[in-house]
Amino acid sequence: DAGVIQSPRHEVTEMGQEVTLRCKPISGHDYLFWYRQTMMRGLELLIYFNNNVPIDDSGMPEDRFSAKMPNASFSTLKIQPSEPRDSAVYFCASSLGGTLVAFFGQGTRLTVV
Amino acid sequence: KQEVTQIPAALSVPEGENLVLNCSFTDSAIYNLQWFRQDPGKGLTSLLLIQSSQREQTSGRLNASLDKSSGRSTLYIAASQPGDSATYLCAVRPVNNAGNMLTFGGGTRLMVKP
Repeated sequence: DAGVIQSPRHEVTEMGQEVTLRCKPISGHDYLFWYRQTMMRGLELLIYFNNNVPIDDSGMPEDRFSAKMPNASFSTLKIQPSEPRDSAVYFCASSLGGTLVAFFGQGTRLTVV
Repeated sequence: KQEVTQIPAALSVPEGENLVLNCSFTDSAIYNLQWFRQDPGKGLTSLLLIQSSQREQTSGRLNASLDKSSGRSTLYIAASQPGDSATYLCAVRPVNNAGNMLTFGGGTRLMVKP
């Protein structure tokens, strides 16, 4: 397996634009997580899914953020409208419930200007 | 609310030294603890996972210990090499597995000088 795949790797956008980040988890994994990493706050969990169902979105900063998982092999994190303070590295991770080892993607570096 | 702290925040050592990275957590009701490595501009790579019932795990030159009652874990790196230079993060998962969320420490940035 190629691991967790995220796209794009880098995204630069203007304030107010919609941004969509994509993630393909490891095949067979039943949990998917979205994290955000900043210098100030470190790694923070935004939302996670179990079997494609959102379980806990309490980490989503505000209504501008939304996440979907239409099937077991794909998830998106959308920011609309984007703001400069959303600039961060966004990570997607997946795990198999039985082993609980989390595998991370390479991340998407988002810059909102 | 679980809080995870890593000390030191940064560490610079000469090649060949044995070193210890520290991780502490405030709520001992954890399911497991995981150590990660993050290279600059890259994602996280899982190094070791210790279940709450275990006291240590070893992988090559790495050894992680867990003292759940005192809320501490250490990552021991033997005979450090320049290739070990990276940020090391620890993360804990709550005992309620339905949560299945990782709370991360701030990381220790390690530099091993040749």
